[in-house]
Amino acid sequence: DTGVSQDPRHKITKRGQNVTFRCDPISEHNRLYWYRQTLGQGPEFLTYFQNEAQLEKSRLLSDRFSAERPKGSFSTLEIQRTEQGDSAMYLCASSLGVGGSYEQYFGPGTRLTVT
Amino acid sequence: EDQVTQSPEALRLQEGESSSLNCSYTVSGLRGLFWYRQDPGKGPEFLFTLYSAGEEKEKERLKATLTKKESFLHITAPKPEDSATYLCAVQRDSGYALNFGKGTSLLVTP
Repeated sequence: DTGVSQDPRHKITKRGQNVTFRCDPISEHNRLYWYRQTLGQGPEFLTYFQNEAQLEKSRLLSDRFSAERPKGSFSTLEIQRTEQGDSAMYLCASSLGVGGSYEQYFGPGTRLTVT
Repeated sequence: EDQVTQSPEALRLQEGESSSLNCSYTVSGLRGLFWYRQDPGKGPEFLFTLYSAGEEKEKERLKATLTKKESFLHITAPKPEDSATYLCAVQRDSGYALNFGKGTSLLVTP
């Protein structure tokens, strides 16, 4: 039983560079979520997909952030022109989406450090 | 706007010393309240979902309860391996985003 996987686990980049993260959800899950977590805080919602459709985006998701889920399976989150304030743990989660099952299962996260 | 407040921020217990963590919330139209456990450097691990006031769920030494304004996570006779941050989150019935509190950092000493 494979859970949610994320790649890379750690990324160090210089300010102004672009970065892309990948998330592979649990195979039968049709809902996929991205969150961001900084030290001492709970995760903050960024965006949500049902299959390939991006249905909800947070105010936190500035125009430097873009997320895709092209075939309704894996998803990518790209951050353009990174800033030091983007340093955080980026978490992906997935949920089944049918049968009244709403619990979200999280991956291990990608820790981004912007220098 | 939805609000989730967890208390205390940090809690230190001796092994075997039972206690409760609190999650107070305000949300317009609650679909569910979720509890997660998070170990340092890892993603949150799902524990429980509670959907209606009066509901209770148990798993090993943990028991979660829900009222219309708050939820409690009771830890009975904790062990050092229960040390972690416990996160509470609410989900509106109009969407799927989870709105998390800041968490309670629990340390259980032998």
